[in-house]
Amino acid sequence: EMQLVQSGGGLVQPGGSLRLSCTASGFSLSTYWMSWVRQAPGKGLEWVANTKLDGSETHSVDSVRGRFTVSRDNAKNSMYLEMNSLRVDDTAVYYCVRGSNPAWGGGPFDPWGQGTLVTVSS
Amino acid sequence: EIVLTQSPGTLSLSPGERATLSCRASQSIYSSYLSWYQQKPGQAPRLLIYGASSRATGIPDRFSGSGSGTDFTLTISRLEPEDFAVYYCQQCVWSPYTFGQGTKLEIK
Repeated sequence: EMQLVQSGGGLVQPGGSLRLSCTASGFSLSTYWMSWVRQAPGKGLEWVANTKLDGSETHSVDSVRGRFTVSRDNAKNSMYLEMNSLRVDDTAVYYCVRGSNPAWGGGPFDPWGQGTLVTVSS
Repeated sequence: EIVLTQSPGTLSLSPGERATLSCRASQSIYSSYLSWYQQKPGQAPRLLIYGASSRATGIPDRFSGSGSGTDFTLTISRLEPEDFAVYYCQQCVWSPYTFGQGTKLEIK
């Protein structure tokens, strides 16, 4: 069974940093684009960032560019999201997702991780 | 940035009825790059439809997708109790890979 298991997250003060991890099982991360998608409390879904199969390319939404860094370690079958200079409006559940079209970075997204809550508050 | 507008915001129907959900894009999307997701409270979203009309693995055939260009539709032929949830469309063609704001399908 293909599965994504996330860890990290929690409460952090504005301006602080946090690192999220996502480990895949049932498939090899190295053959897929991977993304992070977030959902603020009671709101809709927002694509955050992605990383190409070998990590040679990454892309992100304007609101996090320069603050968030997505990376991967294919040997560990894992992806990471390093979040710096966190703001209150970064508060959300963060999901790691696999892009099920190996040739394309935008999706469709399947499967999804279980999600991890990041709360930015003083 | 491509904006996806879903309508209606909330749809109130009864089990057994037919549901029609709309997703309109601010510019043309190649059909291969429009997906639909279902999200239930407290759960991660689940892929339902990709390429505008192809069902994902394990998705019942009462779910169907159609459309092209800027107008897309998700249809649920006969609603089951477990279908009441929030549904999102997503375009996968241009970064940032945007989602619609969602349609909440609630029991009437």
